[in-house]
Amino acid sequence: QQQVKQSPQSLIVQKGGISIINCAYENTAFDYFPWYQQFPGKGPALLIAIRPDVSEKKEGRFKISFNKSAKQFSLHIMDSQPGDSATYFCAASIMDTGRRALTFGSGTRLQVQP
Amino acid sequence: DAGVIQSPRHEVTEMGQEVTLRCKPISGHNSLFWYRQTMMRGLELLIYFNNNVPIDDSGMPEDRFSAKMPNASFSTLKIQPSEPRDSAVYFCASSFPGDGTDTQYFGPGTRLTVL
Repeated sequence: QQQVKQSPQSLIVQKGGISIINCAYENTAFDYFPWYQQFPGKGPALLIAIRPDVSEKKEGRFKISFNKSAKQFSLHIMDSQPGDSATYFCAASIMDTGRRALTFGSGTRLQVQP
Repeated sequence: DAGVIQSPRHEVTEMGQEVTLRCKPISGHNSLFWYRQTMMRGLELLIYFNNNVPIDDSGMPEDRFSAKMPNASFSTLKIQPSEPRDSAVYFCASSFPGDGTDTQYFGPGTRLTVL
């Protein structure tokens, strides 16, 4: 199966708080797990990505936690800011016929309140 | 680089009309993807090209949809005839698998409304 399940659908966090978005996948052949950020009227843009050989990756205030055995990964946004308000998509890809095709989760609309 | 360029940004048409969406990928990228985004179905991959060749079009919903990539710097997605349920935002994305990051760069999208 190529499905990626994402939760929650929407999230409201106070400024300075931690935002956590979760994703689960089924296909154990997935070998690349990016998170994309999308602002209204814009296309998605890569935020951070991880490969299954590590359990955690940090880039500034953003962290991915990866649990290979549970087939789950999550995005943590530390010290959330109003400017982080956007829709976040997890994704997974698999090397298939020589290219990587992204399967996206359903998205989480994050609102960070001042 | 200007990024992925899509045109038009907005398109309003009537049911039954032909619609053509255009995409210019980032120079040097050899993979191109067309996605459709709706509230109900989220982001769906329609078709992707590698080195101008269609590799997987299993996401194309019906024969009314067709895509071409005549050269490395241009691709089109055509809907003929269009239907109200085709209303969505269509994104084009490009990537260069050889850069080791697998990053897909998305264009700003074309918002299609079929009346």
